Amino acid sequence: EAGVAQSPRYKIIEKRQSVAFWCNPISGHATLYWYQQILGQGPKLLIQFQNNGVVDDSQLPKDRFSAERLKGVDSTLKIQPAKLEDSAVYLCASSLDVGSSYNEQFFGPGTRLTVL
Amino acid sequence: AQSVAQPEDQVNVAEGNPLTVKCTYSVSGNPYLFWYVQYPNRGLQFLLKYITGDNLVKGSYGFEAEFNKSQTSFHLKKPSALVSDSALYFCAVSPYSSASKIIFGSGTRLSIRP
Repeated sequence: EAGVAQSPRYKIIEKRQSVAFWCNPISGHATLYWYQQILGQGPKLLIQFQNNGVVDDSQLPKDRFSAERLKGVDSTLKIQPAKLEDSAVYLCASSLDVGSSYNEQFFGPGTRLTVL
Repeated sequence: AQSVAQPEDQVNVAEGNPLTVKCTYSVSGNPYLFWYVQYPNRGLQFLLKYITGDNLVKGSYGFEAEFNKSQTSFHLKKPSALVSDSALYFCAVSPYSSASKIIFGSGTRLSIRP
């Protein structure tokens, strides 16, 4: 089966600019996650969707980050405006069910963002 | 608060030798525990998980992990290391009360020398 797709793979922008990332989860997976992975650290959950509803966005910096999953399938994550500390790899993951840890999460290759 | 500690930033092992990557956790109640591996320029891949039952869990690529409740540890092991095992390994925990919220450790880089 096809894996989680993300684009772009790399993005370089200047601070205060805007950027958007796209994720297409594995077909049939109800739950979609966005993580931020700063160099030298483990992934940190930004937002979790179940179908097109938000389950957890407690660690999403809502003054500059937004995400949507309008049709319960693919998702976009936006940063506006970007700061230097947003430089990181942004990972998208999906899991089959409504979010139970009984099912593992499948990760995409990530988007490496560099903010200059 | 829930947390995961991977005390070693890097582990170096000779090919053919056994390897251990350490992980300890802190979570209220019963934990769900995971190991993921990250190869260069690729996303994280699931290795294995502990939910309940047998404390020794077997996973992909010959890896296994042992859940030790008294020591709150979930160390990753492999009897004989391969050069291709060289990668970044992440331990993760999910509290029973919030089953889908996975907290990752900072990662351990495993380097297997020929």
